[in-house]
Amino acid sequence: DADVTQTPRNRITKTGKRIMLECSQTKGHDRMYWYRQDPGLGLRLIYYSFDVKDINKGEISDGYSVSRQAQAKFSLSLESAIPNQTALYFCATQGSNQPQHFGDGTRLSIL
Amino acid sequence: QKEVEQNSGPLSVPEGAIASLNCTYSDRVSQSFFWYRQYSGKSPELIMSIYSNGDKEDGRFTAQLNKASQYVSLLIRDSQPSDSATYLCAVTPQNDMRFGAGTRLTVKP
Repeated sequence: DADVTQTPRNRITKTGKRIMLECSQTKGHDRMYWYRQDPGLGLRLIYYSFDVKDINKGEISDGYSVSRQAQAKFSLSLESAIPNQTALYFCATQGSNQPQHFGDGTRLSIL
Repeated sequence: QKEVEQNSGPLSVPEGAIASLNCTYSDRVSQSFFWYRQYSGKSPELIMSIYSNGDKEDGRFTAQLNKASQYVSLLIRDSQPSDSATYLCAVTPQNDMRFGAGTRLTVKP
C-alpha cells in the first residue's frame, strides 16, 4: 500500500462545482502539504499544516480551502471550481528534518 | 529573483555521458537540499539529499553543495535513457520546502 494516498486520481468537473481532494498517509508525519503543478511552472504550494490544529496559506491559496481532520488526513477543497484551476495536484508529507514524500497526484480538469 | 532557480532545459546528453544539473537559491538560511526526479505525469521521487558543503555520492548520482555561492548541483554519470525526466531542486529556507521549476533531461540512446 502507498504511504501517501490521494483520491480521486482523476476528476473532470464543471465550472462552479465544489470539489474535494483527499489525502491520507500512513507515515505518521505531522507535516502535510498541498501543491499544484502546471506545465513549466513547477510545484506551487497551496496550503500546509504542521499538526491537526495548524493551517497555513501557501503562495497560491486563493480559491482553495483545506481541512486537517486528523494527523493522517488532509483534504483540499475548491469551493467553486474555475477552469484555471485545471492542474495536477499533489499531496506531500514530511517528518521532522526529513524530505517531503509525495502522493501519486490527482489530475483535475475543470470544463 | 526566484527563491530557487534552475535552467528549464531541455538538457540533452548522449547515453553514457555525464549530465550536469544546476540550481541556485536565494535564502542563505537554507540548511537542507534535495533533488527529486519526476517522470511525466508522475509524482516527484526523492533521489538525493545533501546537508553540508562538498560532494555526496550515491551510485551514479553525485550531489554537490556550495553554501557560500548558494548553489547545489546534481551529476549523473553514465546517463541512461531511463534517466530522462524532469529534475527538481528543493531547499528548506524556513519551515517549508521551496522547489525550482525543474530541468528536463533527455538522454539519447
